[in-house]
Amino acid sequence: NAGVTQTPKFRILKIGQSMTLQCTQDMNHNYMYWYRQDPGMGLKLIYYSVGAGITDKGEVPNGYNVSRSTTEDFPLRLELAAPSQTSVYFCASGTGGETQYFGPGTRLLVL
Amino acid sequence: GENVEQHPSTLSVQEGDSAVIKCTYSDSASNYFPWYKQELGKRPQLIIDIRSNVGEKKDQRIAVTLNKTAKHFSLHITETQPEDSAVYFCAANSNQAGTALIFGKGTTLSVSS
Repeated sequence: NAGVTQTPKFRILKIGQSMTLQCTQDMNHNYMYWYRQDPGMGLKLIYYSVGAGITDKGEVPNGYNVSRSTTEDFPLRLELAAPSQTSVYFCASGTGGETQYFGPGTRLLVL
Repeated sequence: GENVEQHPSTLSVQEGDSAVIKCTYSDSASNYFPWYKQELGKRPQLIIDIRSNVGEKKDQRIAVTLNKTAKHFSLHITETQPEDSAVYFCAANSNQAGTALIFGKGTTLSVSS
């Protein structure tokens, strides 16, 4: 049981490039979330999903897109990367309303 | 929507002392309040949580109290040890946004021996 896994661990992007952050969970959770954590700050919700085929925006969705074609996978797409998207990105999953389990994070640097 | 305030932002204690971190929340509909510990470069790890039908919960050296009327909850760590040094985040669930967690900005706890 791997829990929540994320790839890549670290990535450097040039301004204007695009990339997809991968997130997979093997706990059969319906709820999945993407957060970003800026230095010295808490985690802010980017997008969330309550089940396959259902996604919605969180607090800071601009510049990102998501999809949820399966229960296990919840990729986050960055289009036209900007320096403001330099952050650590955490994916999480849960059963809804309570405990969330976090992945190890993806550190992204946009130059 | 929900807003969570956390204080203090930094806390330094001597080994063996107690540490208290306080959070307030704004949405009276929130009913789940977890605390996460995050070590440098690592993912947040759940250390304790409390639901709104409970006033206090304890797990060895850590305890959490909840005052629903005042909308605040606190983390108490007793007999602190150097390995307790980390960033601690409180959170509250949001009945909007797919029951996602709304986090406080974190408290950096330093325990010196």
